[in-house]
This record gives sequence, structure tokens and C-alpha cells, in this order.
Amino acid sequence: NAGVTQTPKFQVLKTGQSMTLQCAQDMNHNSMYWYRQDPGMGLRLIYYSASEGTTDKGEVPNGYNVSRLNKREFSLRLESAAPSQTSVYFCASSDGQGFIVLTFGAGSRLTVL
Amino acid sequence: SQQGEEDPQALSIQEGENATMNCSYKTSINNLQWYRQNSGRGLVHLILIRSNEREKHSGRLRVTLDTSKKSSSLLITASRAADTASYFCATDLNDYKLSFGAGTTVTVRA
Repeated sequence: NAGVTQTPKFQVLKTGQSMTLQCAQDMNHNSMYWYRQDPGMGLRLIYYSASEGTTDKGEVPNGYNVSRLNKREFSLRLESAAPSQTSVYFCASSDGQGFIVLTFGAGSRLTVL
Repeated sequence: SQQGEEDPQALSIQEGENATMNCSYKTSINNLQWYRQNSGRGLVHLILIRSNEREKHSGRLRVTLDTSKKSSSLLITASRAADTASYFCATDLNDYKLSFGAGTTVTVRA
């Protein structure tokens, strides 16, 4: 049982390049999330998808786009990467029933030069 | 802005000692959760306490919640080296979102 799988684990980009972070879960969860983690800042919510077919902005959505491709997959796209987007990105999912309890992926470390 | 704030930022204890960390939050909540993050890994859910509960136990973990003070504490008893990690509190902003604090880094010395 893989849980939440993120790819790639590491990526180095140059300013202005684009890339997509992929996330897939095999727990039949309804809700999926993208967070970024920066030193001393904790986790900040970028975008979330409460259910298949819906997406909503979180605290720090600027510079990002998301796609809920199907129930399993939720991708995060950086159209024109900036050094301020250097961070560790976490995808998470929840069954969306009752209280939200998150299952996290292992993270994707992105460096923008 | 983030809802929760943990205190202290870092904690170093001897194996076998207890570790206590606190979380304060700003607005009313339905529940508060604690997560653990080992170095280089994703967060793992530890325990959830509902707003109408005052204390909850899970193994060596004890969580308290004081809604009048908008605060929670996490106690890890009889700490082990494997408890070395960062601990985060999370509060629900609405039915679909959780807000995390900046975390407490706990180091357990052998």
C-alpha cells in the first residue's frame, strides 16, 4: 500500500523554467492538498481539492496552478519558477469524511536558481 | 496567516525524560491535531482531540486542550531516540483545510 506518492523527489530549476509536481494516492481519498514547507514557517497551504472536479486556493497560491486529473491524481504546476519558490513541497490526502486527517507524501525538494 | 504557534521552537532532552510542547491558536476550532515529522520525511498524524474534549491519550502521548485559553499541549512520556523529530499542531480552518504551526524540534539524547 503506497499511500501518497510524489514525483520527483528532487528538482533544480533555473528562474523562469516551468515544471509540474505529480502526486497520486491509492487510498480512494476524496480530498487532496499541496503544501509548501519553509524553515521557520511551518507548512502553508497552496491549493486544495475537496473532491474530484474542484480546486480552491489556499494561503499562498500565487505563482502556482493545479489540476485534479482524476480522483487519484493532483498535480502542481509552476509556470515560471522564481527563487522564492525554492521549498519542500508536500502533497497530502484525506478521505474528506468527518474531521480532516491528512496522509502526507514524502515531499519534493525544489531549488530555483 | 498561520493559525497555530508551537512553543518552544526547539527542545533537547535525555532519553527516558518527558517532553512537553505547547500550541496556541487564534480562532475557535472543531478539533486540534498533532503530527510528527522525521528528518527528510513527510508528516505523520499522531492524535486528534475534539473541541469538547479536554484530554486524550495514545500510548506514550498525552494531549490536552484548553479552548478558553486557545491552547493545547503534547506530552511524550519516557522519550526514546526514535522520538527525535519535529512536532506540529494543526487546527481546522473549515471542513476541508488544516492550518499548521511552525513546529517544535525535539532532540532526544542517548
